[in-house]
Amino acid sequence: GAGVSQSPSNKVTEKGKDVELRCDPISGHTALYWYRQRLGQGLEFLIYFQGNSAPDKSGLPSDRFSAERTGESVSTLTIQRTQQEDSAVYLCASTRAPTAGTSYNEQFFGPGTRLTVL
Amino acid sequence: GQNIDQPTEMTATEGAIVQINCTYQTSGFNGLFWYQQHAGEAPTFLSYNVLDGLEEKGRFSSFLSRSKGYSYLLLKELQMKDSASYLCAPPNAGKSTFGDGTTLTVKP
Repeated sequence: GAGVSQSPSNKVTEKGKDVELRCDPISGHTALYWYRQRLGQGLEFLIYFQGNSAPDKSGLPSDRFSAERTGESVSTLTIQRTQQEDSAVYLCASTRAPTAGTSYNEQFFGPGTRLTVL
Repeated sequence: GQNIDQPTEMTATEGAIVQINCTYQTSGFNGLFWYQQHAGEAPTFLSYNVLDGLEEKGRFSSFLSRSKGYSYLLLKELQMKDSASYLCAPPNAGKSTFGDGTTLTVKP
């Protein structure tokens, strides 16, 4: 009965390096979301996957950010040439597919990856 | 697009009742979610209102008025552990937008 898991839990990197963040959604959840949350601020939508496709990438802040999802399961968020402004907690969430009578389901969040760019 | 407004901060006393409001504008109506986020933790689901009216779940209730684009979360018999941020979110198939959250501080 595992929930959403993310790795690493903490990542400290130097400015200019690339980082890869991983999300393992709940098994069978078709939709997957990535968010960024800076200290003391709200959730900032980054990208949404339905299955393995990403119909909405509008939240990615720059071309340094990319994400992929394979096998309708694991997703990775990659940040290239990290900047200090990228320091934040990166949260992943997944949801079940809609069923009869339920158009939308709640999001289950992982514990997040705290990224610190020095 | 979606514009979501919530008060930034609220303070209440242990044992009291507090109401956290959320107003939103959305291009389509799909109900409203409420989530709770304790400091340093991920958000967790509290409620989802699809129809107008009040839904009660123990100490927590959530109200929705679709015509007014208005919702509130009512917390009764406040406990210290209720100190957290409360986020409202209109669901959407795709881009998911949350309010910035209302930080509730419960004092003894």
